[in-house]
Amino acid sequence: GQSLEQPSEVTAVEGAIVQINCTYQTSGFYGLSWYQQHDGGAPTFLSYNALDGLEETGRFSSFLSRSDSYGYLLLQELQMKDSASYFCAVRDDKIIFGKGTRLHILP
Amino acid sequence: EAQVTQNPRYLITVTGKKLTVTCSQNMNHEYMSWYRQDPGLGLRQIYYSMNVEVTDKGDVPEGYKVSRKEKRNFPLILESPSPNQTSLYFCASSFQGLAGDEQYFGPGTRLTVT
Repeated sequence: GQSLEQPSEVTAVEGAIVQINCTYQTSGFYGLSWYQQHDGGAPTFLSYNALDGLEETGRFSSFLSRSDSYGYLLLQELQMKDSASYFCAVRDDKIIFGKGTRLHILP
Repeated sequence: EAQVTQNPRYLITVTGKKLTVTCSQNMNHEYMSWYRQDPGLGLRQIYYSMNVEVTDKGDVPEGYKVSRKEKRNFPLILESPSPNQTSLYFCASSFQGLAGDEQYFGPGTRLTVT
């Protein structure tokens, strides 16, 4: 079956850097996406990696290693507004999301 | 404004009473999808549609129906709702449904079945 594993919670300090990992097991693989969801809100797209390596978008970066079936989302210069849940997702025919990582930021 | 709309936003109903949750997008997207979100389980795909008249099962399709008669609309139908379908439901759309396509999510529909 298909599955994605990510930590349920991560805590970091404002201004610091945090990494949220995602390992996947899928029958087919076209790339890894990341979404952010604030409490009471809808998920919003952050990034997508199809090839190995690091993709940078402002304070957020995403990394993929296809050989290791592993990726991560890196958030730099953390701000309180980054407190949210973060989901990795893969698409085969269906779209499979991880269960999400709740990011807590301490002042 | 580009958006995905869902109605109703909140619904409380009783077991067995058929209901429909509407979803509409104004971005001319080909791909549309329904998800349910439950605490600790993340987002799970119910059904998806690659284009008009083309629908397919996601991970948790049991107890749900969908239709795609027009490109912009993708209603979710619960013929006989049960309490285990109490959940937060999201509709989403993307340009072509390719792996890297950004999905745009609607605001969500919170459904309670008693």
